[in-house]
Amino acid sequence: GQQVMQIPQYQHVQEGEDFTTYCNSSTTLSNIQWYKQRPGGHPVFLIQLVKSGEVKKQKRLTFQFGEAKKNSSLHITATQTTDVGTYFCAGLYQTGANNLFFGTGTRLTVIP
Amino acid sequence: NAGVTQTPKFRILKIGQSMTLQCTQDMNHNYMYWYRQDPGMGLKLIYYSVGAGITDKGEVPNGYNVSRSTTEDFPLRLELAAPSQTSVYFCASSYPGQGLSGNTIYFGEGSWLTVV
Repeated sequence: GQQVMQIPQYQHVQEGEDFTTYCNSSTTLSNIQWYKQRPGGHPVFLIQLVKSGEVKKQKRLTFQFGEAKKNSSLHITATQTTDVGTYFCAGLYQTGANNLFFGTGTRLTVIP
Repeated sequence: NAGVTQTPKFRILKIGQSMTLQCTQDMNHNYMYWYRQDPGMGLKLIYYSVGAGITDKGEVPNGYNVSRSTTEDFPLRLELAAPSQTSVYFCASSYPGQGLSGNTIYFGEGSWLTVV
């Protein structure tokens, strides 16, 4: 079945270190979205990638979509304590479909 | 705008009891969804609706029912609660378009449900 794998499951970093989480799908995605969920909170949309090889930046966050549209990554430069939370990727397999397949998330802990 | 509002925030149910999770949105979104999130896991789609009067099953619909009588409201019904339904439930909505393509999903704050 359609499934989006995400690694690592947990990541502890010292404040100021970089952080990367990866998503992989066995089949081609139409697009991929990234969400952040603070502890005890709800997922909040960060960004959507649609084009093959697309790279988007939001301040210290860099999002990439693979050339084959089967993988994606989120990289945070110089983490801050405000980056704490779980980052989810969510893939859409078909344009016009109504189900995003969420990865299991990467829980980021930033040690001050 | 309040966005997506869901109630209750917390609820403890006994096995076999029934309950309804309420969800309303004031953004005039046609698309609405119910997800569940088990501890340490991602979100799985239970049911969704593309407009009033239309509902469809998601990945994990068993044990749940929904209705969509208005654009604003999308309640989720648990008929015979089971321990496996202990989870956090998120209602969400998005603006109509090409399904989810290009459309942000807005989530409610979640409902923590425990079945004992």
